[in-house]
Amino acid sequence: EVQLVESGGGLVQPGGSLRLSCAASGFNFRSYRMSWVRQAPGKGLQWVANIRQDGSDKYYVDSVKGRFTISRDNAKNSLYLQMNNLRAEDTAVYFCVRVLLDTTTFDMWGQGTMVTISS
Amino acid sequence: DIQMTQSPSTLSASVGDRVTITCRASQSISSWLAWFQQKPGKAPKLLIYKASSLESGVPSRFSGSGSGTEFTLTISGLQPDDFGTYYCQQDNYYPLTFGGGTKVEIK
Repeated sequence: EVQLVESGGGLVQPGGSLRLSCAASGFNFRSYRMSWVRQAPGKGLQWVANIRQDGSDKYYVDSVKGRFTISRDNAKNSLYLQMNNLRAEDTAVYFCVRVLLDTTTFDMWGQGTMVTISS
Repeated sequence: DIQMTQSPSTLSASVGDRVTITCRASQSISSWLAWFQQKPGKAPKLLIYKASSLESGVPSRFSGSGSGTEFTLTISGLQPDDFGTYYCQQDNYYPLTFGGGTKVEIK
């Protein structure tokens, strides 16, 4: 079964850090680009970051550039999102997402992990 | 950034109705458009990619059309399970962007 399972969410104070992880199974992880997409409570979807299959190319939405870092470990079938200098507006459910081959859209989603930034 | 505008923001329809949701891009995105369905508390599900390609396992009552700046998702014969919020997403340019969503309610 193809599966993406996120972990690492929680409650953090503004300015703090958090590292999200995503464990992939059921498919050839190293063959796919991967992404993080987030959804603030009651709001729409926002793409956060993409990473190429070999980790060589990374893209970010402007609002997280310089604060978030996407990475992957193909040997461990894992995707990560290091989040630093967190702000209240980063509060959201963060989804680990697989990028559909030959596109830049998303064909497989994890269940999401909640990140809450509050003092 | 490419702005994606969906209309309507909400709609209420009866089982069996033909439902149409529109998505407009602020500039041409060729056919690089996807549609998702999201139910409360769940992750989104890919329905359509490249404007008109049906994702595997998605019922054929869902169809997509359009190119350039105007796109349409059609549900031909609305079913009770089709409630939820529908989002379009452009995947032609970074940053990848989503529309604001269309909430579909079953009368």
